[in-house]
Amino acid sequence: DAKTTQPPSMDCAEGRAANLPCNHSTISGNEYVYWYRQIHSQGPQYIIHGLKNNETNEMASLIITEDRKSSTLILPHATLRDTAVYYCIVRPTYTGRRALTFGSGTRLQVQP
Amino acid sequence: ETGVTQTPRHLVMGMTNKKSLKCEQHLGHNAMYWYKQSAKKPLELMFVYNFKEQTENNSVPSRFSPECPNSSHLFLHLHTLQPEDSALYLCASSQDRVSSSTDTQYFGPGTRLTVL
Repeated sequence: DAKTTQPPSMDCAEGRAANLPCNHSTISGNEYVYWYRQIHSQGPQYIIHGLKNNETNEMASLIITEDRKSSTLILPHATLRDTAVYYCIVRPTYTGRRALTFGSGTRLQVQP
Repeated sequence: ETGVTQTPRHLVMGMTNKKSLKCEQHLGHNAMYWYKQSAKKPLELMFVYNFKEQTENNSVPSRFSPECPNSSHLFLHLHTLQPEDSALYLCASSQDRVSSSTDTQYFGPGTRLTVL
């Protein structure tokens, strides 16, 4: 799987948009960009994934650059419950039950 | 609520005890996973099941014994554990099918295990 680079930590004010960047300059054409988050001592939570086009769901939006070398996860109105470690992962279209590998992620602290 | 449940959420056991962790998925998936997450360490894959058949055992000690009676249920039987086995044990499931566009893994809340 392609390597990803994320800032170690970010702060965001409650109610504002949180924009979490991820670099994945070695991404291959068949690899998706996935985002998960892990709130302290809980299981990782799937957020969103995309291949080329921007994606939006009830949790977040994913913006992927045209060259696919970087992406941004956007939480439009961050709440205190969004405080967590956010992981950007690049995985092939079909992994054959391969283990999910998390890097260091970005620790997002939402401030009141 | 991810559609994957785990019980118990917390477990404290002695080294001579025998206990079991349970995972159930309500997503209609055919693949299930056990992961271990120790403090300040990345996720470690332990076992993978596909259609009830174990397809991967990631060199896990025999004191951990998985059981998958059907595609919706997964157990992890524990016996004679060591204090270093204390960790968060996570269950996940996915739809394992080559024709799928992706095989996203969905996790349960985890069982926090403490071995005394």
